Amino acid sequence: DAGVTQSPTHLIKTRGQQVTLRCSPISGHKSVSWYQQVLGQGPQFIFQYYEKEERGRGNFPDRFSARQFPNYSSELNVNALLLGDSALYLCASSLRQDVSPLHFGNGTRLTVT
Amino acid sequence: SQQGEEDPQALSIQEGENATMNCSYKTSINNLQWYRQNSGRGLVHLILIRSNEREKHSGRLRVTLDTSKKSSSLLITASRAADTASYFCAPNAGGTSYGKLTFGQGTILTVHP
Repeated sequence: DAGVTQSPTHLIKTRGQQVTLRCSPISGHKSVSWYQQVLGQGPQFIFQYYEKEERGRGNFPDRFSARQFPNYSSELNVNALLLGDSALYLCASSLRQDVSPLHFGNGTRLTVT
Repeated sequence: SQQGEEDPQALSIQEGENATMNCSYKTSINNLQWYRQNSGRGLVHLILIRSNEREKHSGRLRVTLDTSKKSSSLLITASRAADTASYFCAPNAGGTSYGKLTFGQGTILTVHP
């Protein structure tokens, strides 16, 4: 079975632009979470979606939004990009919404110039 | 906060030696998870230990949990160059935390051939 897939793998944007990142979870996984990892830091939780509903939100501004589709894939949108948004964005899926281990994709490397 | 703090921040050893990494946390947990991240890639789940377990093994990995001291350790025996990676612990409260994991800065392990 395919693992968690994310697209694109790399992206370069200019300050003020908007970006959409995509994630396909492992087949059968209904929970998708998004994390931001700045260089040298651990991943920081942004959102969790389960059964197409937002079930958790981290300490990120409203410029960050996400959604989950009926096939359980997910998109993360970031508006009005700032230089500080440059990071590796990781998507993770899990079978359930509680303590299930997370399965991570290889991320999207976003660079904001 | 459920954030784990890994110690040491960096560890350098020779192939064949054992590597021990520690994790401390501050609040009650339902389980604690360890993840590995190779440079620039997604995290890989290594092991999950529940709060009522004291020790767990998986191949060359041994994890201990001491809930009275709010600490955990990850031991990698007979290390290999391929074990070179960052290692993160993630204490998890379970329940309404809805799969949100909070990662520290991790331990960077370098195994020299």
